[in-house]
Amino acid sequence: EAGVAQSPRYKIIEKRQSVAFWCNPISGHATLYWYQQILGQGPKLLIQFQNNGVVDDSQLPKDRFSAERLKGVDSTLKIQPAKLEDSAVYLCASSSPKGRYYGYTFGSGTRLTVV
Amino acid sequence: SQQGEEDPQALSIQEGENATMNCSYKTSINNLQWYRQNSGRGLVHLILIRSNEREKHSGRLRVTLDTSKKSSSLLITASRAADTASYFCATDAREYGNKLVFGAGTILRVKS
Repeated sequence: EAGVAQSPRYKIIEKRQSVAFWCNPISGHATLYWYQQILGQGPKLLIQFQNNGVVDDSQLPKDRFSAERLKGVDSTLKIQPAKLEDSAVYLCASSSPKGRYYGYTFGSGTRLTVV
Repeated sequence: SQQGEEDPQALSIQEGENATMNCSYKTSINNLQWYRQNSGRGLVHLILIRSNEREKHSGRLRVTLDTSKKSSSLLITASRAADTASYFCATDAREYGNKLVFGAGTILRVKS
């Protein structure tokens, strides 16, 4: 089966600019996650979707970050305006209904550099 | 402080040797998972151990779980240069909303 697709792979923007990341999960995976991974740290969950509904966005900085999952398939994560501390790898993952017992499948991530 | 913390932060071994990484956590868990991340890539799921299990094997990987000590270990036997990567433990715990919480990882370097 195809993996989790993410684009772009790399993005460099200036602070205060906006940026958007795209994710296409594995077909049939109802749950989709966006994680932020700062260099040298483990991934931190930003938002979790179940189909097209938000399950958990408690760690999403809502003043600048937004995410949507229209039609319960693809998802986009947006940052506006970006800050220097947003420099990180943004990972998308998906899981099946039994994902808690079989793990998540991650995409290769988008490396964002804010200058 | 983090739910899961790996030890050591970095490990360097020769090819053919065994590598052991440890993970400690703070709350009761549903399961604990180990992931590998190669440089510049996403995470790959390696193995999941449930709270009622004590040991699991997958190829050259052996994972143990001690819920009384709230700790887990990942053993990679007969390491290869291709095992060079960062390894993360992640816990699924009710106290954290049943979502995966990752530690900071162990960087493993296998020298050939």
